[in-house]
Amino acid sequence: DTGVSQDPRHKITKRGQNVTFRCDPISEHNRLYWYRQTLGQGPEFLTYFQNEAQLEKSRLLSDRFSAERPKGSFSTLEIQRTEQGDSAMYLCASIGFDRGGYEQYFGPGTRLTVT
Amino acid sequence: AQTVTQSQPEMSVQEAETVTLSCTYDTSESNYYLFWYKQPPSRQMILVIRQEAYKQQNATENRFSVNFQKAAKSFSLKISDSQLGDTAMYFCAFMKPARGGNEKLTFGTGTRLTIIP
Repeated sequence: DTGVSQDPRHKITKRGQNVTFRCDPISEHNRLYWYRQTLGQGPEFLTYFQNEAQLEKSRLLSDRFSAERPKGSFSTLEIQRTEQGDSAMYLCASIGFDRGGYEQYFGPGTRLTVT
Repeated sequence: AQTVTQSQPEMSVQEAETVTLSCTYDTSESNYYLFWYKQPPSRQMILVIRQEAYKQQNATENRFSVNFQKAAKSFSLKISDSQLGDTAMYFCAFMKPARGGNEKLTFGTGTRLTIIP
């Protein structure tokens, strides 16, 4: 267990529905990342927070996606009007320093299936 | 933009043998980090080993070591005395330091490693 938690672990939804995922990073980490991982691919960067400020968004993040991190603690990722192409694993990570070096700590992910 | 390439989609090796996973990357940066992450089936991705580009010495962590060839932009992972618990997807990743800014990881497509009993 890395200390980063995500909820839910699995979500099945019908096309057109809205879904929201939650990430709880390691408490002392002020930087938080969202990645998307599709089958057979490595994770791809979606967005990044420093404390409560969303400082960068990938062009992968269409206007149907919104992310928040109120009070710089947990973060939520919402997808509106889901499409089948949104089916993927959504990973959250926070940054810390371990054994004297930089490390991103990943959560277990939320696997989204859009039917 | 940086790219990371893992040309071995799948590998398998007998338990206790040594296996090497390949990774190449492309960047114009001189200072960066490289990582190998392990993603076991249905489990969280965890860091296996990291290498700072300015360090000439190859990183080692117990049974895991890397062969970092900066000029060739190659970063391979060697697993010695492989164990059943090493069965997982392995991802090579690149990060450009940003002094507290966006230090996103750029991943390769992964290598699925199976350790055979």
